[in-house]
Amino acid sequence: EDQVTQSPEALRLQEGESSSLNCSYTVSGLRGLFWYRQDPGKGPEFLFTLYSAGEEKEKERLKATLTKKESFLHITAPKPEDSATYLCAVQALTGANSKLTFGKGITLSVRP
Amino acid sequence: SQTIHQWPATLVQPVGSPLSLECTVEGTSNPNLYWYRQAAGRGLQLLFYSVGIGQISSEVPQNLSASRPQDRQFILSSKKLLLSDSGFYLCAWRGQGAINQPQHFGDGTRLSIL
Repeated sequence: EDQVTQSPEALRLQEGESSSLNCSYTVSGLRGLFWYRQDPGKGPEFLFTLYSAGEEKEKERLKATLTKKESFLHITAPKPEDSATYLCAVQALTGANSKLTFGKGITLSVRP
Repeated sequence: SQTIHQWPATLVQPVGSPLSLECTVEGTSNPNLYWYRQAAGRGLQLLFYSVGIGQISSEVPQNLSASRPQDRQFILSSKKLLLSDSGFYLCAWRGQGAINQPQHFGDGTRLSIL
């Protein structure tokens, strides 16, 4: 069974204090790993897809990396508007419905 | 560009009442469509998915059902709601083509059962 574990559950940062969010996964062959951002009361917003170990993607203050067992979402010099819940999901090679298995998310709070 | 709409945004229903949540997608044809439930402290749980009109697959046994009467319309229903059906319901779509394209979500319906 595919599993995704995200840590820590919650993270409080001071504005400008860089940090990383962790996503550990177990999957029977990885087709893709997805990062989403979710604001309170809203649906998840797509950020990145990573396909193979060693791959990296960047968007503004966010950088996602991937190894064979985990992914990191690095946040550089965060701002209060980066406060949100960040979700990680994996898609296995098997299965035809593009099913995603999600972690529980990491709630990030950035204080001004 | 593609957009996805869900309504209502919030809903309060008594136990035993019926349910109908609607999701529509614009700007794409023949999308894959998904219904998820998000409970507090838990990850998103896939409930149903559809690869075409009238084609519905259920991921977990439950009190809910889904239908796809039109290409870009996905409906989540129940004949009699249970307290355990409370939660945040999200609809998502994925375009046809590469299976590892991301899914895109609507803004959800917050369902409270009294």
